[in-house]
Amino acid sequence: TQLLEQSPQFLSIQEGENLTVYCNSSSVFSSLQWYRQEPGEGPVLLVTVVTGGEVKKLKRLTFQFGDARKDSSLHITAAQPGDTGLYLCAGARTSGSRLTFGEGTQLTVNP
Amino acid sequence: NAGVTQTPKFRVLKTGQSMTLLCAQDMNHEYMYWYRQDPGMGLRLIHYSVGEGTTAKGEVPDGYNVSRLKKQNFLLGLESAAPSQTSVYFCASSYLTVQETQYFGPGTRLLVL
Repeated sequence: TQLLEQSPQFLSIQEGENLTVYCNSSSVFSSLQWYRQEPGEGPVLLVTVVTGGEVKKLKRLTFQFGDARKDSSLHITAAQPGDTGLYLCAGARTSGSRLTFGEGTQLTVNP
Repeated sequence: NAGVTQTPKFRVLKTGQSMTLLCAQDMNHEYMYWYRQDPGMGLRLIHYSVGEGTTAKGEVPDGYNVSRLKKQNFLLGLESAAPSQTSVYFCASSYLTVQETQYFGPGTRLLVL
């Protein structure tokens, strides 16, 4: 059983569309990170959220941490082919604990 | 800075063979990690180290051993490879705590026949 459940697992959309990816858990996390991974490469950190209800924006990407710190979402506005990749959420349950990764959402943006 | 580098990039082993994967980082990070990535499973932590000379088990440590003799290097060993260890292996490092940014290497693709 995954501690962090990501949905959807696969998403294929057209350029210009909006999308939201979810990362859910029944556990509380002290912090949550989102990474993007491109084929043949390692994951790269996009953002870290630490406060319940926190919203962070990175250009066309908006990240939200749930009020109860059990879930997070990633919203992409006007998706571009360059957004294609595997999006991974990862959480730490306490300040000294290890990161637990979700299984990822594979996003394909078609031109 | 090269960041995190991994050697080799790709390897094919026969069941029962042994090998060592090398990870090196030039960012003076204290924490280093070994993960494996399998389809539909995300990244799973094998072993990690919080400093030179220390190692600890992650969630899937069986069949693997690690060593951190130098701060910049973290070695992952497979003593007797099994087909179930076919995977992509990623090394990562972070400055002080696990909540900080983890910097990943490019991965090692291992096929065990």
